[in-house]
Amino acid sequence: KQEVTQIPAALSVPEGENLVLNCSFTDSAIYNLQWFRQDPGKGLTSLLLIQSSQREQTSGRLNASLDKSSGRSTLYIAASQPGDSATYLCAGGISSGSARQLTFGSGTQLTVLP
Amino acid sequence: KAGVTQTPRYLIKTRGQQVTLSCSPISGHRSVSWYQQTPGQGLQFLFEYFSETQRNKGNFPGRFSGRQFSNSRSEMNVSTLELGDSALYLCASSLEGISNQPQHFGDGTRLSIL
Repeated sequence: KQEVTQIPAALSVPEGENLVLNCSFTDSAIYNLQWFRQDPGKGLTSLLLIQSSQREQTSGRLNASLDKSSGRSTLYIAASQPGDSATYLCAGGISSGSARQLTFGSGTQLTVLP
Repeated sequence: KAGVTQTPRYLIKTRGQQVTLSCSPISGHRSVSWYQQTPGQGLQFLFEYFSETQRNKGNFPGRFSGRQFSNSRSEMNVSTLELGDSALYLCASSLEGISNQPQHFGDGTRLSIL
């Protein structure tokens, strides 16, 4: 059974700092890895999707990497801003036969202090 | 382009009742997935519908069911409600499915069971 872990559960940084969020998964047979952010009382916003054949994806100040062999993914946020404060979740796409689903980590709650 | 719309936003029910939640996907999206989010279990996959057929299913009891209409709108039904069903229910849509495409989430329906 795929398990996805995110450490730390919460992180507080001063504005302008570069930071890394970690995600680990137990089943290296994932077909993709997605990063989302969730604001309080809201749904999830897709940030980056890395296919299993890729090593990383970039969007603006965000960069996500995927290392299937070690079962790890990282989300790098450059020059953090107070507006980046949210809960960040990673999700591994797994397949069992023809069935497919996303397995989510429990998230890292990020606070960027002005 | 309008996003994913979920109705209602809030719902209060009592044990033993049943409830129906609605999700309207982004125009042109044919896949709709449903998730349950609770503080204890995090985000868990319920099921995915594609072209009016259930394509994937998570590990939830048969009390949880759904359907999809020809216009891709989807409903989720929970019968014989239990206290543990209190949660934020999220739906997500994508063009072709949860395989290799970003999922676009609605803001969810918060269900409280008294």
